[in-house]
Amino acid sequence: EAAVTQSPRNKVAVTGGKVTLSCNQTNNHNNMYWYRQDTGHGLRLIHYSYGAGSTEKGDIPDGYKASRPSQENFSLILELATPSQTSVYFCASGEDTGQLYFGEGSKLTVL
Amino acid sequence: GMPVEQNPPALSLYEGADSGLRCNFSTTMKSVQWFQQNHRGRLITLFYLAQGTKENGRLKSTFNSKERYSTLHIKDAQLEDSGTYFCAAEVDYGNEKITFGAGTKLTIKP
Repeated sequence: EAAVTQSPRNKVAVTGGKVTLSCNQTNNHNNMYWYRQDTGHGLRLIHYSYGAGSTEKGDIPDGYKASRPSQENFSLILELATPSQTSVYFCASGEDTGQLYFGEGSKLTVL
Repeated sequence: GMPVEQNPPALSLYEGADSGLRCNFSTTMKSVQWFQQNHRGRLITLFYLAQGTKENGRLKSTFNSKERYSTLHIKDAQLEDSGTYFCAAEVDYGNEKITFGAGTKLTIKP
């Protein structure tokens, strides 16, 4: 069974709306990550977390918030979604060594 | 410059050919991982290396932290090897931040 689960897998939102992408991991890893993937850019780090209660800014945090209420859950929040945030979002959990385990991705379209 | 430079951006091979992909790093990295993204968009872990060389079937990867590079070598390429390959590296000052290269799109032709 999948150890990193993202929901929703597909989402269509309107400009200005609030979007929450959720990620759950059963690996018991301390570290969790949110990336977005766009053509020509590869995967870019938005936010990450060292453990429950912690959130850190990645390379492209503007327009996004993150929440880590527990070891298992890490959410990415778009308070005011914009069309430029249309992308595929990947969540990962990571061992302290740095090895990553990815979810299957969430496709977000902002109209 | 970018912390992780990945080359080439695209590569086309015939079945049975051998080739290699490379990532260069702008600073010392603690570890590197290689992923294959398949046609469904799923990221499949190929290798995790803190140093040295690992092999798995037709794939071999090397990480040289001191020389700031990593390679992924594919031997006897097969059609199912098609996809986009990414390297991802963790900077060696323990902030757990992991940065990806832009990827290499690999096409295997029959």
